[in-house]
Amino acid sequence: AQTVTQSQPEMSVQEAETVTLSCTYDTSESDYYLFWYKQPPSRQMILVIRQEAYKQQNATENRFSVNFQKAAKSFSLKISDSQLGDAAMYFCAYRTYQGGSEKLVFGKGTKLTVNP
Amino acid sequence: DAGITQSPRHKVTETGTPVTLRCHQTENHRYMYWYRQDPGHGLRLIHYSYGVKDTDKGEVSDGYSVSRSKTEDFLLTLESATSSQTSVYFCAISESEGGSVNQPQHFGDGTRLSIL
Repeated sequence: AQTVTQSQPEMSVQEAETVTLSCTYDTSESDYYLFWYKQPPSRQMILVIRQEAYKQQNATENRFSVNFQKAAKSFSLKISDSQLGDAAMYFCAYRTYQGGSEKLVFGKGTKLTVNP
Repeated sequence: DAGITQSPRHKVTETGTPVTLRCHQTENHRYMYWYRQDPGHGLRLIHYSYGVKDTDKGEVSDGYSVSRSKTEDFLLTLESATSSQTSVYFCAISESEGGSVNQPQHFGDGTRLSIL
């Protein structure tokens, strides 16, 4: 069964600094997709970035980038120039098709605090 | 923002009563999902739908049923609510081209359900 592990329940960063959130996953599939979602106190789930497993190039969205290491099954999120609005829960997610069914697994989340 | 409306936004009910949560979308997306979010567990998939009248179970489907009679509506029913089903419930939608799962999910604002 696929699992997604976020080993850091909480992280903190100073405003304008860089922080990296870790995510590892376990799968025997070769074709899958990985996502990072942000959940601020408003409770909305907001897509931050996504990565296709077949792409070697790491995805980037403005201040957000990932370090995707397929062999190590690692998918970390780097936030550069952290802003107060980045404070939120961050969830890593894995998605694939298996046996005719869609498989979706989320990690338990990392709470990010941004200090002024 | 994706046009997703969850109703009700909050509900308090008693053990043993039936409860139905509704998810309505205006995006005409094929896929719809129901998740529950609990502290320490992240998001867990309950059921999902890949078309009208087509549904499949997720990770935590026991005690829940779903129905999708039209593209825009996906209903989650707790036939006889229990206190363990107290949670925040999220609906999500996504489009999927050619069977791939690379399209991200877009989430509703959640329903807070309390079962006393």
